Amino acid sequence: EAQVTQNPRYLITVTGKKLTVTCSQNMNHEYMSWYRQDPGLGLRQIYYSMNVEVTDKGDVPEGYKVSRKEKRNFPLILESPSPNQTSLYFCASSLAVNTEAFFGQGTRLTVV
Amino acid sequence: AQSVTQPDIHITVSEGASLELRCNYSYGATPYLFWYVQSPGQGLQLLLKYFSGDTLVQGIKGFEAEFKRSQSSFNLRKPSVHWSDAAEYFCAVGAMEYGNKLVFGAGTILRVKS
Repeated sequence: EAQVTQNPRYLITVTGKKLTVTCSQNMNHEYMSWYRQDPGLGLRQIYYSMNVEVTDKGDVPEGYKVSRKEKRNFPLILESPSPNQTSLYFCASSLAVNTEAFFGQGTRLTVV
Repeated sequence: AQSVTQPDIHITVSEGASLELRCNYSYGATPYLFWYVQSPGQGLQLLLKYFSGDTLVQGIKGFEAEFKRSQSSFNLRKPSVHWSDAAEYFCAVGAMEYGNKLVFGAGTILRVKS
């Protein structure tokens, strides 16, 4: 089954404690991206990747890092989380930027 | 800068009534457009997309949307709403000229009353 898998689904952490949210897709997609969803703001792109070892900033990259060492995986790293990063995060993948994006189930992160 | 506006934060319709969700964009290039739906606690699912050609596109679950370049709009419609359509709907716009960035609207929450 074609899918994008994010882990964990829920996470509560403390300010400053490094964390990683994993994202994996099994569709051999070139393009992957991370979004955060906040009420009234829709989805805002954090980072995206066109292919292995190619990543670029989206609209709200501050406080986040990503890596793309393998085609299927695109982890999101918060080196020093802060409460303003409390949000719902989605990973997505697609063949290209102008084709259908497949979304993971989301990760609800709370930073206290 | 590119922007996408969904003017209605909430819409309530009766089951069986028609629906139109509005989406306006501000792009200085030829856009490609999407509508996604998000059910509570779920990820986003693509309803339909427009890249070129016929400006009236059909999607899943009986939805359709019309691209109107002169109005910079891509409104989503359904002739008869079902209770299961209650969800949040997002319009998304991108353009090759603006790199690989997809911009989402703030979303419209649809409530269906029986």
